[in-house]
Amino acid sequence: DAGVIQSPRHEVTEMGQEVTLRCKPISGHDYLFWYRQTMMRGLELLIYFNNNVPIDDSGMPEDRFSAKMPNASFSTLKIQPSEPRDSAVYFCASSRPGGLNTEAFFGQGTRLTVV
Amino acid sequence: AQSVTQLGSHVSVSEGALVLLRCNYSSSVPPYLFWYVQYPNQGLQLLLKYTSAATLVKGINGFEAEFKKSETSFHLTKPSAHMSDAAEYFCAVTIRDDKIIFGKGTRLHILP
Repeated sequence: DAGVIQSPRHEVTEMGQEVTLRCKPISGHDYLFWYRQTMMRGLELLIYFNNNVPIDDSGMPEDRFSAKMPNASFSTLKIQPSEPRDSAVYFCASSRPGGLNTEAFFGQGTRLTVV
Repeated sequence: AQSVTQLGSHVSVSEGALVLLRCNYSSSVPPYLFWYVQYPNQGLQLLLKYTSAATLVKGINGFEAEFKKSETSFHLTKPSAHMSDAAEYFCAVTIRDDKIIFGKGTRLHILP
């Protein structure tokens, strides 16, 4: 398996633009997580899905952030409109059936820069 | 709610010396605990995990961690540091059917 695949690896956009981050989880995994990593705040859980259904989105910072999982093999995290403070590395992770105490496999991340 | 605290955002050790990275957790029920490692420009990968079996857990690359309930700790150790161990290390906690919470991370520097 190729692991969790995120795209793009790097994104530079202007303030006010819409940004869409993409994630393909490992086949057979039924949990999908979106994290944001910054120097100031560390690694924050934004939202997670189980069987394509959002379970907890309490970490989503504002209404400008939205996430979808239309099927078991694809998820998006959208920021509209983007702001400079959204600059961070965004990670997607997935884990297999067995609950959240199983290992989470991370993608390589998308480094977002909003100028 | 559960949480983890990692003491020291930066730790420096000499090559060949003992590595000790500290993690304390807070949980109202028995937790599952993890250590992850992040190399530059990469995602996190699992080093080891505690899931209520043996309290001393061995992981990859010679790392191990001991779960101490009385101290609510899950410190990560390695007897002899190698230059390739330089990375950022994250402690994480989850309880049954809940989200995984990560600590702030500790960046490990290896001195030649």
